[in-house]
Amino acid sequence: QQQVKQSPQSLIVQKGGISIINCAYENTAFDYFPWYQQFPGKGPALLIAIRPDVSEKKEGRFTISFNKSAKQFSLHIMDSQPGDSATYFCAVPSGNTPLVFGKGTRLSVIA
Amino acid sequence: DTGVSQDPRHKITKRGQNVTFRCDPISEHNRLYWYRQTLGQGPEFLTYFQNEAQLEKSRLLSDRFSAERPKGSFSTLEIQRTEQGDSAMYLCASSLVQYRDRGIGGSYEQYFGPGTRLTVT
Repeated sequence: QQQVKQSPQSLIVQKGGISIINCAYENTAFDYFPWYQQFPGKGPALLIAIRPDVSEKKEGRFTISFNKSAKQFSLHIMDSQPGDSATYFCAVPSGNTPLVFGKGTRLSVIA
Repeated sequence: DTGVSQDPRHKITKRGQNVTFRCDPISEHNRLYWYRQTLGQGPEFLTYFQNEAQLEKSRLLSDRFSAERPKGSFSTLEIQRTEQGDSAMYLCASSLVQYRDRGIGGSYEQYFGPGTRLTVT
């Protein structure tokens, strides 16, 4: 069973600051590495995903950096806003399991 | 597109009772997934369907759990003889996997429903 290690467990960032969440995985032979965002009382929603043949992908204020040799990828949220306060999950494919999720990072953006 | 819907949103049951949850995926999606999420944890994979075929089941899915997706549309998840340890949020997700995707590639873009919160007393 694929192990996915996500850090930190929780994060407090000032409004306008940069939030950085990291994810490490063991092994995968598949195509995409996604980040999901979950607000209280809601199901997770896909935020951004990266293919392993690129090192970085940017969508608005959200950037994924991918280090294939280190088996790590990270989510950067630039100019963090209070509306970004949520729990973020990385996920990786594993064998016959479509996605294995990390334990999540609870982000709080304070004004 | 109304998104993925789940029913009921909340269920309180006594230990030993059976419960059944329903998931209606996005209409054109051919894959449907069930996950379980407990407080402070990420979603844990339970099982998934490609159309009406159940392709994979997690070891978490004991013989008290059964899932179906008749006709490849909505799905039901039944838990028999519920235990207190079954208390969790049960999430359903769906995705569209094109024929060109190899293996399970393309399953990363999953659309989740709001979940059914189960409390076993």
